[in-house]
Amino acid sequence: DAGVIQSPRHEVTEMGQEVTLRCKPISGHNSLFWYRQTMMRGLELLIYFNNNVPIDDSGMPEDRFSAKMPNASFSTLKIQPSEPRDSAVYFCASSPVERGSSGYTFGSGTRLTVV
Amino acid sequence: AQSVTQPDIHITVSEGASLELRCNYSYGATPYLFWYVQSPGQGLQLLLKYFSGDTLVQGIKGFEAEFKRSQSSFNLRKPSVHWSDAAEYFCAVGAGTGFQKLVFGTGTRLLVSP
Repeated sequence: DAGVIQSPRHEVTEMGQEVTLRCKPISGHNSLFWYRQTMMRGLELLIYFNNNVPIDDSGMPEDRFSAKMPNASFSTLKIQPSEPRDSAVYFCASSPVERGSSGYTFGSGTRLTVV
Repeated sequence: AQSVTQPDIHITVSEGASLELRCNYSYGATPYLFWYVQSPGQGLQLLLKYFSGDTLVQGIKGFEAEFKRSQSSFNLRKPSVHWSDAAEYFCAVGAGTGFQKLVFGTGTRLLVSP
């Protein structure tokens, strides 16, 4: 298996622009997680899905952030409009739902820079 | 709520010396505990995990960790550090319904001196 695939690896955008981050989970994994890593706040969970349904979005910082999972093999995290404080590394992870946190595989991350 | 504390921000160890990275957790019942490693510019790799049973857990790359309930600790150890071990290490605890979420500590950056 190719693992969890995130794209793009790097994204540089101007403040106010829309940014879309993409994630393809491991085939057969029915839980998907979006984490953000910053110097100030460390690694924090933004949102996660089970069987394509959002379960907990309490970590989404504000309405500018939205996430979707239209099918079992694809998820997006969108920021609109983007701000410099959104600069961070965004990680996607997937897991079989029955294994919970014990079954995580992380993607390589997307480094977002908003200028 | 579950939380994790890693009291050391940076640690420097000589190559060949032993290593211990500290992790303390906050959780009432038996926690699900993890150690992850992140090399510069890379993603997170699982080193080892503990759910129950033997309190000494063996992981990849020669790492081990010991769960001590009385001290609420899950310290990571390695008997002899290699230069390639230089990285950031994160302790995490499973949280939420079904322990699906991971709550991470702030990380410890390991520097290895020659």
